[in-house]
Amino acid sequence: EAHLAESGGDLVQPGGSLRLSCVVSGFTFSDHFMDWVRQAPGKGLEWVARSKNKAFSYTTEYAASVKGRFTISRDESRNSLYLQMNSLRTEDTAVYYCVRVACTGRDCRVFDIWGQGTSVTVSS
Amino acid sequence: DTQLTQSPSFLSASVGDRVTITCRASQGIGSYLAWYQQQPGKAPNLLIYATSTLQSGVPSRFSGSGSGTDFTLTISSLQPEDFATYYCQQLNSYPITFGGGTKVEIK
Repeated sequence: EAHLAESGGDLVQPGGSLRLSCVVSGFTFSDHFMDWVRQAPGKGLEWVARSKNKAFSYTTEYAASVKGRFTISRDESRNSLYLQMNSLRTEDTAVYYCVRVACTGRDCRVFDIWGQGTSVTVSS
Repeated sequence: DTQLTQSPSFLSASVGDRVTITCRASQGIGSYLAWYQQQPGKAPNLLIYATSTLQSGVPSRFSGSGSGTDFTLTISSLQPEDFATYYCQQLNSYPITFGGGTKVEIK
């Protein structure tokens, strides 16, 4: 059974950095796109970043709100996805979810498995 | 960016009611629309993808329809476990975007 487990959330000061991790199990990591989605307290869902699969050379995509500050990466040997967050702002405060994106051939558009989330608070 | 507008944002209904939630896109997104259910304190759960395909394990009382810019999620007979917040999502183009959510509460 596929499973995602995030960690690394913490309280950090504005301007600080944090790295989130997501350990995956139960499926072939390299076959799937992997995304981060966040949810600010009491708010809706916001897509943050994407790491495409091996077939797409693990290329990445970012939301404009985090581009240049956040970096998504993966370590296939550790079955792990990461989100390096730099220059954090108060508006980055949210629960961050790791999400598996299922593919049919080269069409990858199904957010089928979500982790439980890890909480990031940016405050002085 | 493609904006998604959900309506209503809040809905009060009774067990057994038929419920319809709409999602309107600011530009055409083909059939690349998904729906999620989120219970308080939990991660979202995929209900429907590609406008009308029911995710494995999701009860058949949930259905989706639409194309282009206008989409609907229908719950044919609301059950107690269906009281939650529902989100639509477009996957046609980057950035991937979500609607603002519809909270379904017990009347």
